[in-house]
Amino acid sequence: ETGVTQSPTHLIKTRGQQVTLRCSSQSGHNTVSWYQQALGQGPQFIFQYYREEENGRGNFPPRFSGLQFPNYSSELNVNALELDDSALYLCASSLVAHYGYTFGSGTRLTVV
Amino acid sequence: GENVEQHPSTLSVQEGDSAVIKCTYSDSASNYFPWYKQELGKGPQLIIDIRSNVGEKKDQRIAVTLNKTAKHFSLHITETQPEDSAVYFCAPQYSGGGADGLTFGKGTHLIIQP
Repeated sequence: ETGVTQSPTHLIKTRGQQVTLRCSSQSGHNTVSWYQQALGQGPQFIFQYYREEENGRGNFPPRFSGLQFPNYSSELNVNALELDDSALYLCASSLVAHYGYTFGSGTRLTVV
Repeated sequence: GENVEQHPSTLSVQEGDSAVIKCTYSDSASNYFPWYKQELGKGPQLIIDIRSNVGEKKDQRIAVTLNKTAKHFSLHITETQPEDSAVYFCAPQYSGGGADGLTFGKGTHLIIQP
């Protein structure tokens, strides 16, 4: 049974650029969610996808968007990057929403 | 939305001693109470969880206790070991529907002193 894998592990972007982060869900999981974790803070919920549709969203602007593919892999896209977007981005998958999330190790995004 | 507070923010204990971390939440509808452990450079890992029809759950050296009336639950680690050093997060939630995601506390940095 594979876990959740994320790529890339580290990324440096310039303010104003766009970035795409990728996630492969744990085998058999059909729900994927994304979190932003600033240094020294708990993860904050960005959005969740179930059966390729966004079915929940946290307090993040529309420049944060995502996709879930038929194989349950997922992407997080962030447009018009700002310095405050620098954070660890975590992907989590589960078989049933709300119980037992499995997290990936994250992508460390630095915006300069 | 759910307001979650964790105490303490940092906890230093001698190896072999016990550690207790408390999580207070605001939403009385919450019915699922997990604890996650995050080691340096890794994502959070679910270590133990409890549902609202149970008051306590144990798994070897780790236990979680729930007081629904007072709206708090606690993580107990006995016989602490160096590998227990990490940041611990609680994330109470309502599992009855919707997709609000997990609301994490700010975390407790547990330091095990040799």
